[in-house]
Amino acid sequence: GQNIDQPTEMTATEGAIVQINCTYQTSGFNGLFWYQQHAGEAPTFLSYNVLDGLEEKGRFSSFLSRSKGYSYLLLKELQMKDSASYLCAVGDSNYQLIWGAGTKLIIKP
Amino acid sequence: IAGITQAPTSQILAAGRRMTLRCTQDMRHNAMYWYRQDLGLGLRLIHYSNTAGTTGKGEVPDGYSVSRANTDDFPLTLASAVPSQTSVYFCASAEDGHQPQHFGDGTRLSIL
Repeated sequence: GQNIDQPTEMTATEGAIVQINCTYQTSGFNGLFWYQQHAGEAPTFLSYNVLDGLEEKGRFSSFLSRSKGYSYLLLKELQMKDSASYLCAVGDSNYQLIWGAGTKLIIKP
Repeated sequence: IAGITQAPTSQILAAGRRMTLRCTQDMRHNAMYWYRQDLGLGLRLIHYSNTAGTTGKGEVPDGYSVSRANTDDFPLTLASAVPSQTSVYFCASAEDGHQPQHFGDGTRLSIL
């Protein structure tokens, strides 16, 4: 079957760094996406990895290892507005996205 | 402002009633999707359309139907609503299956 695993909830301190992990098992692989979703709002696109390695975009970076079925999202210099759920999604062999349940990130002052 | 619009924002519906959720995008995206999001679960794909005139079934299609008569519109119909269809419904679009999806603001649907 297809499966995306990520932690349910994480807590971090304002100004710190946090890493959110995602492991996946899917039928085929056509890229891994990270989305941010604030409570009561729609998901918004953060990053996309299709090749192994690190993609950096400002305070956010995303890493992919296809051989390990593993990705992480790294958030630096955390701000209170980063409190949100972070969704990991993998494109399968039909180019449909399989979604993880999301990681709720709580930022404390 | 270019984007994707869903209507209604929220709705309370009696079981057994028919309901159509509307979705319109003005980005000329080829692909469109309908998801439901339930607490503790990931987004689950209901139906999708890779291009105007074609549709396909996702992970949880039962009880739902869609049409894609043109590029911009992708309505989702519940033929006879049941309480288990209480959820938040998101419509999304993308240039194609390789590209990031853009989401509408969602429809919060309660079936009583």
